[in-house]
Amino acid sequence: KQEVTQIPAALSVPEGENLVLNCSFTDSAIYNLQWFRQDPGKGLTSLLLIQSSQREQTSGRLNASLDKSSGRSTLYIAASQPGDSATYLCAVRGGANNLFFGTGTRLTVIP
Amino acid sequence: SQTIHQWPATLVQPVGSPLSLECTVEGTSNPNLYWYRQAAGRGLQLLFYSVGIGQISSEVPQNLSASRPQDRQFILSSKKLLLSDSGFYLCAWSKGDGQPQHFGDGTRLSIL
Repeated sequence: KQEVTQIPAALSVPEGENLVLNCSFTDSAIYNLQWFRQDPGKGLTSLLLIQSSQREQTSGRLNASLDKSSGRSTLYIAASQPGDSATYLCAVRGGANNLFFGTGTRLTVIP
Repeated sequence: SQTIHQWPATLVQPVGSPLSLECTVEGTSNPNLYWYRQAAGRGLQLLFYSVGIGQISSEVPQNLSASRPQDRQFILSSKKLLLSDSGFYLCAWSKGDGQPQHFGDGTRLSIL
């Protein structure tokens, strides 16, 4: 069964710093990987989706990379802002319609 | 544009009571629909997904059931709630297999 791990579980950085969030998965046979943002008590907002044939995706200050063979993905956030504070989740899609989620990294950007 | 609505936002129910959570999607047709549960300290777990009216697939054995009476309506139900059913329930939709999933705001369910 696919297992998704996110390290670190929590991260605090000063405003303006660049940062990297990590996601690893045990089964490299994935269709795609999706990064989400979750604000406290709220649903998930999709940030980036990387298909298994792609190496990276970019949206604004966010860049996600995928190394399927090693079972790793990173989410790079440039010039962090207090509004970036949230929990970031990665999820990999295996067969059918199942998304396997990590437990997330709780990011705090300090003004 | 497409939107997804879940209600209620919060719910407190006694053990043994029934449950009905509703999710509707607007602005698209024939979406894939999903129910997830997020338990405290754990990742999201897929409970059910549906690729069409009346078509429900269950990912884990449990005390819950799902139904899709209309194309853009997905309902999560239980006849008798257990304490272990507490959690944050999220509905999601996608245009199809492999497409990004978009989530509602969730329902926080507390069982007393």
